[in-house]
Amino acid sequence: EAGVTQFPSHSVIEKGQTVTLRCDPISGHDNLYWYRRVMGKEIKFLLHFVKESKQDESGMPNNRFLAERTGGTYSTLKVQPAELEDSGVYFCASSRTDREQYFGPGTRLTVT
Amino acid sequence: AQSVSQHNHHVILSEAASLELGCNYSYGGTVNLFWYVQYPGQHLQLLLKYFSGDPLVKGIKGFEAEFIKSKFSFNLRKPSVQWSDTAEYFCAVSRFSGGYNKLIFGAGTRLAVHP
Repeated sequence: EAGVTQFPSHSVIEKGQTVTLRCDPISGHDNLYWYRRVMGKEIKFLLHFVKESKQDESGMPNNRFLAERTGGTYSTLKVQPAELEDSGVYFCASSRTDREQYFGPGTRLTVT
Repeated sequence: AQSVSQHNHHVILSEAASLELGCNYSYGGTVNLFWYVQYPGQHLQLLLKYFSGDPLVKGIKGFEAEFIKSKFSFNLRKPSVQWSDTAEYFCAVSRFSGGYNKLIFGAGTRLAVHP
């Protein structure tokens, strides 16, 4: 069974530009989560999809962040326009049940 | 708000030493508890989990954790560490609520094991 995949693995962009991160969950996993780790701090929850519906987006920092999950399969997280404080590692996780989440390798975003 | 506290940010041990990493959480209701590990260059992996039942949980690679409800703790232990245990360890808590269970993570503990 293939794991959670994320693309790209690294992204370096300038302040003000737009970046789109992609996450492909494990096949059959209805639950998809986005998390972020900024500058060695704790990993923080961003939002949760069940299939294509946003169930909890309480962790989204502001309206520069837009997440979608078209058709309940892969998900994208767009940052527009990017700011310096958006730098960090963005993790995606998926789960079949309500309990155990499987994480992807993360996307390291650097905003200069 | 829920929070998770990991007592040590950096731990340095020699091989064969015993390990205990502390984790405390703030939520008073029913929780699910996890330890994740991130080896250098790899993604987060589940080390062990507690949902209910026996509070002493055994995970992969010889790790175990004990849930002490009265202390709101879920400490990770290993009797004898190896160089390959060098990694960052994260304690996480989720509260099962209507099917939605975002994870609340601690800040992580970086473990370095020297040969």
